[in-house]
Amino acid sequence: DTGVSQDPRHKITKRGQNVTFRCDPISEHNRLYWYRQTLGQGPEFLTYFQNEAQLEKSRLLSDRFSAERPKGSFSTLEIQRTEQGDSAMYLCASSFRAEAFFGQGTRLTVV
Amino acid sequence: QKEVEQDPGPLSVPEGAIVSLNCTYSNSAFQYFMWYRQYSRKGPELLMYTYSSGNKEDGRFTAQVDKSSKYISLFIRDSQPSDSATYLCAMSAYGSARQLTFGSGTQLTVLP
Repeated sequence: DTGVSQDPRHKITKRGQNVTFRCDPISEHNRLYWYRQTLGQGPEFLTYFQNEAQLEKSRLLSDRFSAERPKGSFSTLEIQRTEQGDSAMYLCASSFRAEAFFGQGTRLTVV
Repeated sequence: QKEVEQDPGPLSVPEGAIVSLNCTYSNSAFQYFMWYRQYSRKGPELLMYTYSSGNKEDGRFTAQVDKSSKYISLFIRDSQPSDSATYLCAMSAYGSARQLTFGSGTQLTVLP
């Protein structure tokens, strides 16, 4: 499968726990993006990497959220001290030029 | 008021119908316009990508952008039951997925 891969697909966690998601972009895509989607809404931009550099962060990305892309390959998104409001689908996308391709997402449920 | 407005539907049409999906927006800086299709519990799939005003056709799909009216459309000809999904418009001031602003999606059902 040469698409964007996200792991895990589903995560259930207790409030206050930390979670980490992984995204493997399409090979040779130098741009990587994280979005968040809640039920009945379109995705909302969280952050953007070009190679290993995190170039943009949305105001939605509170200090409990951190994203990394070491060596410009895969990326991780960590949420510390999860809250019920963090329950959503976390989507990763990658691109080489203009068109961005999304992964299947990680569905997070905070109980 | 949201930057991008999209009728949430639901929209139900018979197989073979022409479907028209629309979005309006308020940010004049948007230059790049996309349509994504999203099946239930899946990630969005890019259908069409256009820059500035004009039309673009790809098979049964036609995207139209009218920047003067801040209005974009997606037409689906000869609709099929497999087209049943949520359709999301997205737009950006940048030529990538940087800071895409999405509509809330229109849920489409094509009845066999």
